[in-house]
Amino acid sequence: AQTVTQSQPEMSVQEAETVTLSCTYDTSESDYYLFWYKQPPSRQMILVIRQEAYKQQNATENRFSVNFQKAAKSFSLKISDSQLGDAAMYFCAYRNSQGGSEKLVFGKGTKLTVNP
Amino acid sequence: SQTIHQWPATLVQPVGSPLSLECTVEGTSNPNLYWYRQAAGRGLQLLFYSVGIGQISSEVPQNLSASRPQDRQFILSSKKLLLSDSGFYLCAWSTGRRGSPLHFGNGTRLTVT
Repeated sequence: AQTVTQSQPEMSVQEAETVTLSCTYDTSESDYYLFWYKQPPSRQMILVIRQEAYKQQNATENRFSVNFQKAAKSFSLKISDSQLGDAAMYFCAYRNSQGGSEKLVFGKGTKLTVNP
Repeated sequence: SQTIHQWPATLVQPVGSPLSLECTVEGTSNPNLYWYRQAAGRGLQLLFYSVGIGQISSEVPQNLSASRPQDRQFILSSKKLLLSDSGFYLCAWSTGRRGSPLHFGNGTRLTVT
C-alpha cells in the first residue's frame, strides 16, 4: 500500500521569506500523481499544486513550486515570498494513475506559521 | 462551474443517536464521491468512496455507512454514534479522469457527547 510521510509536524517562516515543506512517499508504481493541499483555519481543503510523475518538469503555481525527485520519492513544496495568508496546515497527497476512482492517500500534514 | 455542498456545518449529537450527513455536487455528471474523516491534529482518513449510483466502497470497518441514492448525492450515516465518531468530516468529488484532484466541501464538525 502507498504511504505518504511528512516529517515536519510544524514549520515557521518570516513574512516575505521562503520556506520548504518536505514530503516523501512509498509506491511501487511508476505512473502516479502528487498533490499539495492547504487547509487554513476555516478547515476547507484547497488544492495548491499538482504534479504528474511522468513529467520531469517541476510544477509551479505563482509563489508555490515543487521539487519532485522521482528516484528519491520526494515531493517538497516551496513557498516563496511567504504571506500571512499562507498560514495553514499543508497536506501532501498521492494518487494512482489507474482509472480515476482511486483514493488520495494523505500525509499527516505540516502546520505552517507565518510570522510578521 | 462545479460546486460541492455539505451540511450541516456543525453537529452535536449524543452517544447512541443516529447520524446523517449529506453532500451534493452541482455542475458535473457521474462524479466520483468520497467521505473523509479528520481527527483532531491528524491527517485525512478515507471512509468511503463511490464511482456511481449504488456503488459504495468501504475503506474502514466501523459503525458508519454511506449511500449514493442519486448521481450527485452522497450520504454518510450511522444508526448509533460512538464517542470515537467525533471529528471533522469532509466530502469530496473528482472526475473519473486519470490524476484528477479531489475537490472538497467545507466539512462538518461532529461532536458526540
